[in-house]
Amino acid sequence: ETGVTQTPRHLVMGMTNKKSLKCEQHLGHNAMYWYKQSAKKPLELMFVYSLEERVENNSVPSRFSPECPNSSHLFLHLHTLQPEDSALYLCASSQDQTGIYNEQFFGPGTRLTVL
Amino acid sequence: RKEVEQDPGPFNVPEGATVAFNCTYSNSASQSFFWYRQDCRKEPKLLMSVYSSGNEDGRFTAQLNRASQYISLLIRDSKLSDSATYLCVVNRQGDYKLSFGAGTTVTVRA
Repeated sequence: ETGVTQTPRHLVMGMTNKKSLKCEQHLGHNAMYWYKQSAKKPLELMFVYSLEERVENNSVPSRFSPECPNSSHLFLHLHTLQPEDSALYLCASSQDQTGIYNEQFFGPGTRLTVL
Repeated sequence: RKEVEQDPGPFNVPEGATVAFNCTYSNSASQSFFWYRQDCRKEPKLLMSVYSSGNEDGRFTAQLNRASQYISLLIRDSKLSDSATYLCVVNRQGDYKLSFGAGTTVTVRA
């Protein structure tokens, strides 16, 4: 595997379900990110982890819970979601969080539908 | 005011044409600038970083104007495969947070 991978690619869940999104990066990067992309809107940063420590929680509702067990893996735990949470959830990684050219590399995303 | 603003388009151009579009940013402390490309229902991918002197990568040319706080992307000799949404991305030195524009859609027709 190379780059950034995400599973599952598609997820349909009810409002009472609990599910988790998984992201893995094979680039040796130190920073990982969760973004939400809704139709016709800019990417919204949700969470940032640097060296496994959360450095940003961008006013995200508590029904989204991130976990970063090591620098290669990032999870997003979901529970009691709302239909408006339906979106493309993208994971990204970068070498570090503060470089001037902090290119981020994205995974293919999980397309989430909440019924 | 949005941190990064883009003309959403769409820009519909014939193959072989030149297409150009801009992006404006509001934070004068911004240091790093990128163009990402996003195909329909796919993830964004880095197209090119934008350096202060401007830079070219094949048919793609990016320019930065700090005084007016905008960056531009020009695509020469458009190909059908250039059809995509182009995202303007900006960040400040020492800041992990990238600010994304909503994207400019380009459609190249045969």
